[in-house]
Amino acid sequence: DSGVTQTPKHLITATGQRVTLRCSPRSGDLSVYWYQQSLDQGLQFLIQYYNGEERAKGNILERFSAQQFPDLHSELNLSSLELGDSALYFCASSVSEGSYNSPLHFGNGTRLTVT
Amino acid sequence: GDSVTQMEGPVTLSEEAFLTINCTYTATGYPSLFWYVQYPGEGLQLLLKATKADDKGSNKGFEATYRKETTSFHLEKGSVQVSDSAVYFCALKKAGGYQKVTFGTGTKLQVIP
Repeated sequence: DSGVTQTPKHLITATGQRVTLRCSPRSGDLSVYWYQQSLDQGLQFLIQYYNGEERAKGNILERFSAQQFPDLHSELNLSSLELGDSALYFCASSVSEGSYNSPLHFGNGTRLTVT
Repeated sequence: GDSVTQMEGPVTLSEEAFLTINCTYTATGYPSLFWYVQYPGEGLQLLLKATKADDKGSNKGFEATYRKETTSFHLEKGSVQVSDSAVYFCALKKAGGYQKVTFGTGTKLQVIP
């Protein structure tokens, strides 16, 4: 158990809809990362937060947004969903910003299916 | 920018065979290097890491050595088991204003009895 909790585990929704994915980081971790993993593709970095502040953006679409709350949990909002957004969405956390040798701890992901 | 290149998969091996999964990187500075493993239906888990040149990371019979001269971090295991079937990701992490983590595309390993 990594200590990172993601909910829900599965989500099925229709095109054009909006969903929210939630992540609770490991206790004590201040950094949260979001990744998208499509079928037969690697991990696409979406966005990173540190202690409530956005730190880095990757290949995140304008239809997607995220935030990290004061209690350090994070939410990823996906709107105007398209079939191509169907994927596994992973959250990961890390202990601090300065510790470059600390690993990421991943949740088990949310599988999003857009029909 | 930074990048990580892994050998293409899938890799299919018989049980007890020797495993090598190649990983090379391009990065400025002195990144830390990681191997993660993803079992079916699960998130990624840290397998091993190395934080400076010539360091060897090891765990569960897997090993990888940080080779700065060849910018490589190849994963090896002397005798694979069916339970090692998974997707393996090489990654690098750098210090800086924020911790950017760069992943390779992953290599799927299938071990057959």
